[in-house]
Amino acid sequence: SQQGEEDPQALSIQEGENATMNCSYKTSINNLQWYRQNSGRGLVHLILIRSNEREKHSGRLRVTLDTSKKSSSLLITASRAADTASYFCATDASGTYKYIFGTGTRLKVLA
Amino acid sequence: DTEVTQTPKHLVMGMTNKKSLKCEQHMGHRAMYWYKQKAKKPPELMFVYSYEKLSINESVPSRFSPECPNSSLLNLHLHALQPEDSALYLCASSQDRVVGNEQFFGPGTRLTVL
Repeated sequence: SQQGEEDPQALSIQEGENATMNCSYKTSINNLQWYRQNSGRGLVHLILIRSNEREKHSGRLRVTLDTSKKSSSLLITASRAADTASYFCATDASGTYKYIFGTGTRLKVLA
Repeated sequence: DTEVTQTPKHLVMGMTNKKSLKCEQHMGHRAMYWYKQKAKKPPELMFVYSYEKLSINESVPSRFSPECPNSSLLNLHLHALQPEDSALYLCASSQDRVVGNEQFFGPGTRLTVL
C-alpha cells in the first residue's frame, strides 16, 4: 500500500513547545502535502513539498523531505492551544494522479 | 470565494432509504473528489471527477453513485447502505487533477446508517 505511516500516533505537549511529527511512505512520489483536521471537520492544506525539495517553511511550520529514506517531518514551533488537531501527510505515488493520506498524528497542545 | 460547501451537515438514514449528499465550489476548480473517513482514521479516496467526467473510482460499491452535473456541483447518491457505511463524507476540489495542486476540503457530512 502507498499509505503513509505517521508517528507518533498521538502527541501531547505544553503550549510554547515544539511539536514534531513524522511521515514515512513506501513508493516514489512527486509531491508530499501536509493537512490539518480539527475534530470531525474538513481538512486544511498546510504545505506542499516537491520531491526535488528538501525543506520548506511557512510561518511556524517547517517541513523536511528525505526521498532516500522515504520520509518527511512536520515541525510546528512555539505551539499554541489552537494547534490542537490531527495532522495528516498525503503522498502521490508517481503516475497515479491521486493522493493517499497517512495514518495521522493527533496533537494536543495544553494551555 | 475559497470555500467548499457540503449539505447536509448531518444525515441519518435507514438501510432502505435513498438520499443524496451535495457539494459545491465556486473557485473554478475542474477536479472534485469524494472521500470517506471513519473515526480516528485517514480520509480514503472514493471518486475523482476531472472536467466533469469520472476519472477514478476506487472500487467503491455500487450503492454509492457519484454525479457531477456541472463544474461547480458534485453529488453522491446513496441507496441501500449498510451500517458500516456510517462515516464522515468529505468533498474536496482542486484546480485540476494534476498532482501538486492543493485540495480544498468542505466541512463534511456526517452520515449515520441505522
